[in-house]
Amino acid sequence: QKEVEQNSGPLSVPEGAIASLNCTYSDRGSQSFFWYRQYSGKSPELIMFIYSNGDKEDGRFTAQLNKASQYVSLLIRDSQPSDSATYLCAVRMDSSYKLIFGSGTRLLVRP
Amino acid sequence: ETGVTQTPRHLVMGMTNKKSLKCEQHLGHNAMYWYKQSAKKPLELMFVYNFKEQTENNSVPSRFSPECPNSSHLFLHLHTLQPEDSALYLCASSQGYRDSYQETQYFGPGTRLLVL
Repeated sequence: QKEVEQNSGPLSVPEGAIASLNCTYSDRGSQSFFWYRQYSGKSPELIMFIYSNGDKEDGRFTAQLNKASQYVSLLIRDSQPSDSATYLCAVRMDSSYKLIFGSGTRLLVRP
Repeated sequence: ETGVTQTPRHLVMGMTNKKSLKCEQHLGHNAMYWYKQSAKKPLELMFVYNFKEQTENNSVPSRFSPECPNSSHLFLHLHTLQPEDSALYLCASSQGYRDSYQETQYFGPGTRLLVL
């Protein structure tokens, strides 16, 4: 069973802090890794994806991938109350369309 | 807006009704997907279509029947549903290149379905 694991949270951080969201996956054949943000009652919105080991930065967001440890994370710098949402980690296997989603981590940014 | 639209946005139906969900993408993508999202559960992939051909059916009950007349449109036909089928149904699309590292799915707004 291919799995993607996330801590359900809630992860509570003060406004302006760095929020760190983590995800582990079980299949070493995983090729690409995605972070989606989902506000309550809304659909998932793509934040960024990563497929090479290391860091990838986009504005306040940084994705980090460590394939040896089967670990991907999302850092949100200068967290804002509007960042409060559920963050979904998704993993795509090699030569597959299929995304395997984690259950999501709920982030709460306190003003 | 992601370029993926879904109608209706909300649907209430009885267990004996027949209804259809519609998805349309304006991104020039070739692959389209149906997902189900229930409370407290991860997103569950239901069906995948690539270039109008169904490439995946994740053991979905036959009361859910997908249809993909072309690469831009996807339907989910519903009949004799059960209350446990109440969920958010999400459509997504992607370019459809399975060997591309950048193959990325974009979601529509979803249809909130309640089965009474």
